[in-house]
Formats: sequence, C-alpha cells, structure tokens
Amino acid sequence: ETGVTQSPTHLIKTRGQQVTLRCSSQSGHNTVSWYQQALGQGPQFIFQYYREEENGRGNFPPRFSGLQFPNYSSELNVNALELDDSALYLCASSQDRWTEAFFGQGTRLTVV
Amino acid sequence: AQSVTQLDSHVSVSEGTPVLLRCNYSSSYSPSLFWYVQHPNKGLQLLLKYTSAATLVKGINGFEAEFKKSETSFHLTKPSAHMSDAAEYFCVVSDPSGTYKYIFGTGTRLKVLA
Repeated sequence: ETGVTQSPTHLIKTRGQQVTLRCSSQSGHNTVSWYQQALGQGPQFIFQYYREEENGRGNFPPRFSGLQFPNYSSELNVNALELDDSALYLCASSQDRWTEAFFGQGTRLTVV
Repeated sequence: AQSVTQLDSHVSVSEGTPVLLRCNYSSSYSPSLFWYVQHPNKGLQLLLKYTSAATLVKGINGFEAEFKKSETSFHLTKPSAHMSDAAEYFCVVSDPSGTYKYIFGTGTRLKVLA
C-alpha cells in the first residue's frame, strides 16, 4: 500500500505566474484535503475534495482552486502568484471525510 | 467554533528526561484530537489520536496523551526523551461541521539536549 505522494517536492515561481501541485492519495481513500503551511506556522486548511466534488473551503481567495480526479488524486492550482504564497503545501488523504488524515511530504513553493 | 492553543512555542529537555507538551482545546462538540510531529523539511506524521474512547491514548515512539474534559486539555507526554524526538509538534482538533477539517495549533518546537 503506497502512501500519499506529492509532486514536485520543490519549485520556484515568479510573482504573477500560475502553478499546479499534484497529490496522489493513498489507495482506498476518497477524500483529499489541502493545507498551506507558512514558515513558522501551523498548517491552514485550503479546501477539501470528496468523491470529486469540493466539500468545503477555508479562508483562501478564488485564485486557489483544485480538482479531484476519478482515481481520487488531486491538483491544487494557484493563479497570479504572490510573494505571500511562498509556503509548504501539504496534501492529506483519508478513507472518508471523518477518518484520520494521512499527509504527504509536501511541496515547498517559493515565489520570487 | 473549534480551536486549539499550544501553550509553549519552544520546549527544551535533556535526553532521558520527561517531555510535556501542553495543548488546550475549545470545541462545541465532543472533539476528535490528534498530535502530529513534523521533522525538518518533512511532512506530518500522526503520533496519536483521541476519538472519545479511552481518555489515555498511547501513540507511537513511546508518546501518550490524556484527554481531560474538565480542563479542556490534551497534553502530550513521554517518559524519557530521545535525541530523535527533536521536532515540531502540532496539536490538532477536527471540525465535525461537514469537512472534518483539521485545525492546527501554532506548534511547539522540542529541543533535546545531550
């Protein structure tokens, strides 16, 4: 059984660009949540996908968007990147919405 | 609304001495509570979870936590610290209102001195 995998592990983007981060959920998991962890802070909830539908959203602007595919993998897209978007982005999958979440290693995004 | 407060941003202990990381929670519901550990440049690893069963929860690597409803606390302990325990620790409460999203504390950085 493979765990949660995220790609890429690191990337650097220029302010104003767009970025797509990817997450493969653990086998048998139908729920994916994304979190943003700024330096020195705890992760903040961005949104959750459950069975390919967005199931809830945190306090993030619409330029943060996502998708979940039929195999339950997921993408996080961020448009019009800002310097403050620099952070570790964590994907977590769970067997269902109310079960414990398993986290990937994260994608470190640096916006310059 | 659900929230957690980690009372110490930094804790230093000597190797072989006990560890205590403090967490208070606020919840309108019977909470699900978790402790996660994050080693440098790594993702989050689940240490233990409380989901309304036994109030004393045992986790991995010798860690345990006790749920105290009267004190709204969920402190993490370990009898004897090891150098490999040096990391950031997060107390987490799950919000049951639809998404069961995780609400994280601000973290406690544990330093273990030789």
